[in-house]
Amino acid sequence: DTEVTQTPKHLVMGMTNKKSLKCEQHMGHRAMYWYKQKAKKPPELMFVYSYEKLSINESVPSRFSPECPNSSLLNLHLHALQPEDSALYLCASSQEGGLAGKETQYFGPGTRLLVL
Amino acid sequence: QKEVEQDPGPLSVPEGAIVSLNCTYSNSAFQYFMWYRQYSRKGPELLMYTYSSGNKEDGRFTAQVDKSSKYISLFIRDSQPSDSATYLCAMISIQGAQKLVFGQGTRLTINP
Repeated sequence: DTEVTQTPKHLVMGMTNKKSLKCEQHMGHRAMYWYKQKAKKPPELMFVYSYEKLSINESVPSRFSPECPNSSLLNLHLHALQPEDSALYLCASSQEGGLAGKETQYFGPGTRLLVL
Repeated sequence: QKEVEQDPGPLSVPEGAIVSLNCTYSNSAFQYFMWYRQYSRKGPELLMYTYSSGNKEDGRFTAQVDKSSKYISLFIRDSQPSDSATYLCAMISIQGAQKLVFGQGTRLTINP
């Protein structure tokens, strides 16, 4: 089973709201990722967690706050977002965040976020 | 110059045709190569993963890597309307932070 699940599928929020995106995988993967994807563009990496520790933050604004409560779960907390943050937010996981076949990333279906 | 170049298309071909999708890259440290398929409003789905130069076949899909030319391809045989999607090449460097670097994606339409 190579499934990564994400909730909610769709989210509409105002600029003053606080919301969270959730991601879950049960493949025993130890690396998890958040990506942002705008229309007709490739995914852009936001954060990487490896063994539940934040290993990469691609200079993402602090209004996005990731959290990895355990090896299967990844959250993205959202606060005071801007309309330009509207996008598809993708979660992915890989075996260890290393090389040699272990780096294959499996993506979830995404959460489509609209900020009004 | 982008690290990975991929023609965004759109590419439209008749059903049954052989489709060729390509990416070029500039960084010789890229050693691991992937092709993802992404349907509209869905997450990317891994199609092929290759490391060595040469061909790798999986059903109607063949991935080809030419490291000397820094060129990768995905061939789709007997294309079907269900193959209509955006195809993203992606690669990982063995140096520095091991992040996926994506091409722009090629939008493909297979016409019945």
